[in-house]
Amino acid sequence: DAMVIQNPRYQVTQFGKPVTLSCSQTLNHNVMYWYQQKSSQAPKLLFHYYDKDFNNEADTPDNFQSRRPNTSFCFLDIRSPGLGDAAMYLCATSRVGGKTREAYEQYFGPGTRLTVT
Amino acid sequence: GQQLNQSPQSMFIQEGEDVSMNCTSSSIFNTWLWYKQDPGEGPVLLIALYKAGELTSNGRLTAQFGITRKDSFLNISASIPSDVGIYFCAGPLGAGGTSYGKLTFGQGTILTVHP
Repeated sequence: DAMVIQNPRYQVTQFGKPVTLSCSQTLNHNVMYWYQQKSSQAPKLLFHYYDKDFNNEADTPDNFQSRRPNTSFCFLDIRSPGLGDAAMYLCATSRVGGKTREAYEQYFGPGTRLTVT
Repeated sequence: GQQLNQSPQSMFIQEGEDVSMNCTSSSIFNTWLWYKQDPGEGPVLLIALYKAGELTSNGRLTAQFGITRKDSFLNISASIPSDVGIYFCAGPLGAGGTSYGKLTFGQGTILTVHP
């Protein structure tokens, strides 16, 4: 089945130690999104890649970076994690540029739960 | 920017009861989506709506795109224990261009179903 995969599901890192979360997709979607979700809150968009074009949200801290080496993979890098960065990180994909209605139908991975000690 | 207000924030119901929740926007939307998130998992798309007045069902779930285009409703009939989770409404974030495809989410409705 086509899907969005996130690894690892649980990640523990130390305060200030760089960490990378990964996302892959078999849906062949051209747009990939990264969200941060804290407990009992809505997902908050950090940035997205439209094909190879990186689009950062205005309020995303510089501490968060992303890479998309090819269509299938996207990475979230947190350069110096703080305690406030502990959260669930969600990757999602959609197809933009085809049928209009498909653009907003985002498909999510299972998430990576990040703990900062 | 767009804000979505979702209500109620939480619901505690008995198995077999029907559930209704709604979402309102501060601006007009041309798309509404409803997601469900199980504990420790990512959101799963339940229903997508694209036309004012549209009524769409997915099993026991029915969602409606409000006539004013500023609201949407989700109903669950004959609830069962596996309906437990957080239900989010979502709509387009931004006005096109590089914003095309981006979503903003409501605060979520936490549903608890007692057997």
